[in-house]
Amino acid sequence: VLTQSPVTLSLSPGERATLSCGASQIVSNYLAWYQQKPGLAPRLLISDASNRATGIPDRFSGSGSGTDFTLTISRLEPEDFAVYYCQQYGNSPWTFGQGTKVEIK
Amino acid sequence: QLQLKESGPGLVKPSETLSLVCVVSDYSMISSDYWGWIRQSPGKGLEWIGSISHSGTTYYNPSVKSRVSIAIDTSKRQFSLKATSVTAADTAVYFCARHSPRNWFDPWGPGTLVTVSS
Repeated sequence: VLTQSPVTLSLSPGERATLSCGASQIVSNYLAWYQQKPGLAPRLLISDASNRATGIPDRFSGSGSGTDFTLTISRLEPEDFAVYYCQQYGNSPWTFGQGTKVEIK
Repeated sequence: QLQLKESGPGLVKPSETLSLVCVVSDYSMISSDYWGWIRQSPGKGLEWIGSISHSGTTYYNPSVKSRVSIAIDTSKRQFSLKATSVTAADTAVYFCARHSPRNWFDPWGPGTLVTVSS
């Protein structure tokens, strides 16, 4: 089970966002982060806990290993307000967290 | 650039079979990738359903394994999902995606809403 916190994060553009994802079992660094905007499919941001996917801006960074992971957005841009999901692939079946919504304050 | 797109009926009656197809474009399906189905519902969030290799090897989430089958036709550049004996709990947006050899999903199709209702 993946537990994401907080459920909602209310911030202003330019602020730093810190999102957490906790796993109930050790998943090593086998964790991905996705961004989803309303009406669209999730988009891969980060794989292997800290590797940015192709085309993802460097304001997005991931860290962590084992059971505790963090996605950081260094300075929020208007297009970053969305829902973020983590996904573990250390243990089958592959599972997703319930999401953190980053909303404009 | 790889693109995927789901298609199928938007409404299925309870106890009937849900059938969806995902067409893959601008990419060879014959690779080390798998091809997966994921669904998203308000109640259960994102749930991986299952995946298939180009040679037809499948693996499924145990939560749905008894009711689900995935098939592939590389000559048509498509793979499909069937789920039998559907209930309202199967109402969701269904996504297809490239399932990388490292087990993340990228990219995804736009998704298709399937409602189970009489």
